[in-house]
Amino acid sequence: DTGVSQNPRHKITKRGQNVTFRCDPISEHNRLYWYRQTLGQGPEFLTYFQNEAQLEKSRLLSDRFSAERPKGSFSTLEIQRTEQGDSAMYLCASSWQGSYTFGSGTRLTVV
Amino acid sequence: AQKITQTQPGMFVQEKEAVTLDCTYDTSDPSYGLFWYKQPSSGEMIFLIYQGSYDQQNATEGRYSLNFQKARKSANLVISASQLGDSAMYFCAMREGERAGGTSYGKLTFGQGTILTVHP
Repeated sequence: DTGVSQNPRHKITKRGQNVTFRCDPISEHNRLYWYRQTLGQGPEFLTYFQNEAQLEKSRLLSDRFSAERPKGSFSTLEIQRTEQGDSAMYLCASSWQGSYTFGSGTRLTVV
Repeated sequence: AQKITQTQPGMFVQEKEAVTLDCTYDTSDPSYGLFWYKQPSSGEMIFLIYQGSYDQQNATEGRYSLNFQKARKSANLVISASQLGDSAMYFCAMREGERAGGTSYGKLTFGQGTILTVHP
């Protein structure tokens, strides 16, 4: 098992463009989480899935953000009409029996 | 209001010395779990240690121990015998609605982090 995989590792996009990130969790983990981390801060919770069901969404997740986990496997996080304030590291984690494994994140820069 | 507070933006320690990283938390939930993670410059979050609110003894994992003072709502991380490789950002985090055995799920709430630098 290679852990939680996130792609791409880095993404630079122009303001107003749409971006999509992918997270592949550990295969037997049925729960998957997305966090956003800005420079010098701790991660902030965005949303959480149990299998394919999205169980909780943070108020941080504006209408421009959408996350999916089709078939309860990988997950995608899409940001539409990106803004400079969206520049951050987007971390994915999966969990099993209370333990979390984090991916290395996708660093988004909006120019 | 901040649920997790880490008041030390940066800490310095000499190699082989011990260091304590502070964390205070705020919750009205009687059952919660406290976590410490290490984040090196590469970005991944590495789990270090866990303490459940119902645990009577302080958690230990190798060189890491958690000084849990429930009445003070503090969960300080102690790293003994610091190594150069310990230089990283350290985060305290909390999960509310904890079940016995630490098998709960749910989101983590993180503090702002402390940057630890270990000098040779």
